[in-house]
Amino acid sequence: QQQVKQSPQSLIVQKGGISIINCAYENTAFDYFPWYQQFPGKGPALLIAIRPDVSEKKEGRFTISFNKSAKQFSLHIMDSQPGDSATYFCAGLNAGNMLTFGGGTRLMVKP
Amino acid sequence: KAGVTQTPRYLIKTRGQQVTLSCSPISGHRSVSWYQQTPGQGLQFLFEYFSETQRNKGNFPGRFSGRQFSNSRSEMNVSTLELGDSALYLCASSLMSGSYNEQFFGPGTRLTVL
Repeated sequence: QQQVKQSPQSLIVQKGGISIINCAYENTAFDYFPWYQQFPGKGPALLIAIRPDVSEKKEGRFTISFNKSAKQFSLHIMDSQPGDSATYFCAGLNAGNMLTFGGGTRLMVKP
Repeated sequence: KAGVTQTPRYLIKTRGQQVTLSCSPISGHRSVSWYQQTPGQGLQFLFEYFSETQRNKGNFPGRFSGRQFSNSRSEMNVSTLELGDSALYLCASSLMSGSYNEQFFGPGTRLTVL
């Protein structure tokens, strides 16, 4: 049972544009929502994370928007750069320290 | 601070063999979790260890096992390897176990089963 649904599966954005990745979850036991960035041949790197009692969190060019009532959250990458080209994963963390990941979004930023 | 390290980085085994993977967490981190990443199933939780005790286990057969040592280093073992076990095995460490704990991943061990 997929508990975190992520879309789109792939995304192409021009340099300087805004990349938007969406996630929806079903499990209300999640209490922390991180986003990970993964480059080929590397492990996922923690990018930014949010608690469900916060509606938005911004770190540099990366912003998470969180809608608890809709059980949805999204990642916005402002001023997207070719170096941002990677696979992005959203996830939900429960009190058991178990991450449940979305299916991933392959982002390509064209110069 | 050094990150999470995993050894070996690459492994090639044949069906029926067993394999042991190793993970050293970030210094001071006491929780180690293991994940399997495949193109078809994505990232899936295997198990978590905290203070040498397995606290949680994902939906994987008993062929997958692990342990944690007193220095928080962890090992994962897969017995009777199957072709479908070919995957990137990732280890993640966090300071504690439970809510709001940020997990940091290692580079992974790429296991190929022939």
